Amino acid sequence: NAGVMQNPRHLVRRRGQEARLRCSPMKGHSHVYWYRQLPEEGLKFMVYLQKENIIDESGMPKERFSAEFPKEGPSILRIQQVVRGDSAAYFCASSPPTGITDTQYFGPGTRLTVL
Amino acid sequence: QQQVKQSPQSLIVQKGGISIINCAYENTAFDYFPWYQQFPGKGPALLIAIRPDVSEKKEGRFTISFNKSAKQFSLHIMDSQPGDSATYFCAASRGDKIIFGKGTRLHILP
Repeated sequence: NAGVMQNPRHLVRRRGQEARLRCSPMKGHSHVYWYRQLPEEGLKFMVYLQKENIIDESGMPKERFSAEFPKEGPSILRIQQVVRGDSAAYFCASSPPTGITDTQYFGPGTRLTVL
Repeated sequence: QQQVKQSPQSLIVQKGGISIINCAYENTAFDYFPWYQQFPGKGPALLIAIRPDVSEKKEGRFTISFNKSAKQFSLHIMDSQPGDSATYFCAASRGDKIIFGKGTRLHILP
């Protein structure tokens, strides 16, 4: 029973390029969450999605960042025109269907480095 | 803004000792308090969690103590082992959004 999968594990981009981070939730999980972790910091909530719906994006920067969770395929976190301050570890988590959503299982993360 | 305050930032404990990490929260609407363990280069893993209707939960060497009136909770690691060396995050949630503390870097001396 595979856990939450994220790819790539490491991503290097130059300033101004686009970064695409992918997350496949655990089997049977329909809720996906994205978090950002800066060095020596805790995880900061970014966005919560269900299939084809953004439920809560209160933690997403207003510009350059977007997320989707299509009917088929993984969830995608997209960062356009990356800047050095975007360098961080981005974690995806998933949880089971409604009713037991507070237990979230995390993937291994994508470490984004912006040169 | 909702906050979860965690202390200490770092902790060094002798092998076999008790590691204690403390957290405090502000929002009384929180109803779920998990602890996560994170090793370098890995994602956080759920360690143990508690709901506010109980004051203590124990799983093996790990115990959560919960004080609802003080809005505080703590993680105790008994008989700490070098393999417990990791970063520990407390968290609080209501529904789907989890608010994390800033973490405690624990180092167990062999």
